[in-house]
Amino acid sequence: DAKTTQPPSMDCAEGRAANLPCNHSTISGNEYVYWYRQIHSQGPQYIIHGLKNNETNEMASLIITEDRKSSTLILPHATLRDTAVYYCIVRLKAAGNKLTFGGGTRVLVKP
Amino acid sequence: EAEVAQSPRYKITEKSQAVAFWCDPISGHATLYWYRQILGQGPELLVQFQDESVVDDSQLPKDRFSAERLKGVDSTLKIQPAELGDSAMYLCASEQSAAYNEQFFGPGTRLTVL
Repeated sequence: DAKTTQPPSMDCAEGRAANLPCNHSTISGNEYVYWYRQIHSQGPQYIIHGLKNNETNEMASLIITEDRKSSTLILPHATLRDTAVYYCIVRLKAAGNKLTFGGGTRVLVKP
Repeated sequence: EAEVAQSPRYKITEKSQAVAFWCDPISGHATLYWYRQILGQGPELLVQFQDESVVDDSQLPKDRFSAERLKGVDSTLKIQPAELGDSAMYLCASEQSAAYNEQFFGPGTRLTVL
């Protein structure tokens, strides 16, 4: 699985959009970008995934650059409950493929 | 909504003792994972099951750790003897075999070895 690089931490104001960057310059053509988050003392939670097109669901939007070497997770209106560690993971989309977590980005949403 | 269950949520033990963790995946999920998460780091895979078979245990310290999923449903992870360095969160996750989108994680077991 390709390695990802994320900033270790970032702050965000409540109600504003949070833009979380991720670099994955060695991603291969059949690897997807996945985002998970982990709220303190809980298990990781799936947020969204994509291959090359932008994706949106009820939690977030995922923007992948045309060369697929980087992506941005967007939380459109951050709330205090979005305070968590966010992990960007690159992997093949197939059952049975483990998730390889990096250090993630610790996001603190401030009032 | 179906969830992955784990017990106990917290476990304190002394080094050299034996500990066991239990995981009940979401019904119908054939693949089950055990991850270990040291404080401040991301989770790392210990062992992966497909039904009752181990498909990846390359990172499992086999001299002290064992895992089983006898009937291909729930699973047990055991440590004997526990060492101070085993203090961590132990997470279980499951996923469907087909139409994969996400792994579902349980709440984890926080192990403290004294």
